[in-house]
Amino acid sequence: KAGVTQTPRYLIKTRGQQVTLSCSPISGHRSVSWYQQTPGQGLQFLFEYFSETQRNKGNFPGRFSGRQFSNSRSEMNVSTLELGDSALYLCASSLDVGTNEQFFGPGTRLTVL
Amino acid sequence: DQQVKQNSPSLSVQEGRISILNCDYTNSMFDYFLWYKKYPAEGPTFLISISSIKDKNEDGRFTVFLNKSAKHLSLHIVPSQPGDSAVYFCAARRNTGKLIFGQGTTLQVKP
Repeated sequence: KAGVTQTPRYLIKTRGQQVTLSCSPISGHRSVSWYQQTPGQGLQFLFEYFSETQRNKGNFPGRFSGRQFSNSRSEMNVSTLELGDSALYLCASSLDVGTNEQFFGPGTRLTVL
Repeated sequence: DQQVKQNSPSLSVQEGRISILNCDYTNSMFDYFLWYKKYPAEGPTFLISISSIKDKNEDGRFTVFLNKSAKHLSLHIVPSQPGDSAVYFCAARRNTGKLIFGQGTTLQVKP
């Protein structure tokens, strides 16, 4: 069974630009969560989607948004990029909302110059 | 507001000895706790979990202990192996809410 895939793996953008990251969950998994990892901050929860609906949301500004498609694939978008948005963005999938075991993808490394 | 804290950024242990990674939390409503392991350039992988109704869960070399009164959990690895060298994250959740992660502890197991 294929794992969680994320594209692209690496991305370099400049301040003010926007970016879209993509995540394909494990086949059969319907819940997708997004996290931001920065040094010293651990993994910060961004949002969780299930059946194309946002179920949980973290404490991030409105520049961070996401969506989920009918095939459970998910995208997250960051608009008006800031230097502080440089981070590893991780996607995790699980069978259902609240399923405790989440399976993570390798992440997208975003660098904002 | 850091609800889950891992106060030790790093830990170094000799191969064959016990590794003890600690985690503290502030929200007494958390009812499920997990540990994840992360190697460089890979996403975190699930290691072991424990429900708040238990105080211990064991899986091979890995044991998680939960002390609800102290709002503290720990991960014991016995015996430690060089391949265990990684970043370890503890995480907690309440009901079907979001997973809240600690900052991570980098474990180095020396041969």
